[in-house]
Amino acid sequence: GAGVSQTPSNKVTEKGKYVELRCDPISGHTALYWYRQSLGQGPEFLIYFQGTGAADDSGLPNDRFFAVRPEGSVSTLKIQRTERGDSAVYLCASSPMTGREQYFGPGTRLTVT
Amino acid sequence: DQQVKQNSPSLSVQEGRISILNCDYTNSMFDYFLWYKKYPAEGPTFLISISSIKDKNEDGRFTVFLNKSAKHLSLHIVPSQPGDSAVYFCAARRGADGLTFGKGTHLIIQP
Repeated sequence: GAGVSQTPSNKVTEKGKYVELRCDPISGHTALYWYRQSLGQGPEFLIYFQGTGAADDSGLPNDRFFAVRPEGSVSTLKIQRTERGDSAVYLCASSPMTGREQYFGPGTRLTVT
Repeated sequence: DQQVKQNSPSLSVQEGRISILNCDYTNSMFDYFLWYKKYPAEGPTFLISISSIKDKNEDGRFTVFLNKSAKHLSLHIVPSQPGDSAVYFCAARRGADGLTFGKGTHLIIQP
């Protein structure tokens, strides 16, 4: 079956701009996670959804970052007033339920110039 | 402070031999541990996991060992194959929290 998909695969934006990153989880997976991976580091947890609600957003670095999952499937990570330090690969993962293995998408490489 | 540590940035192993990747953690509340494999420009791929109530889990060529008293886990790959060359991430979780990852170990399988 289809895995987790993320669009766009690459995004280059200017400092100060707004960006949206999209994640399509595996069909039927109720839990959805966002991570950020910087060069030479492991993925860093940002936020996770159980259904439509954000169950834990403790990893979001500041209030410029926001994520939604309005219908309990597709999720969008939104970053306002982007900064050069936001440049990273943003990974999305889904799981059939919390407490199980997470399956990752290919990521979106964000570059802020 | 890193809660999950992979102290070897890279490891080189001959094809056919055993590869042993190590991981240490500091948070005794972690109750589930996972290993992921990552190729360049791809997302991490789930390999194998272990619950904190077990000390060993095996799946084909991959075995994960957990030593709770030492807060240490390891991934054994035997026999190692060229396709195993990748970056391996150790990850841990407490309850339904998001995963906490180590920095990864780059495994190189030499012919």
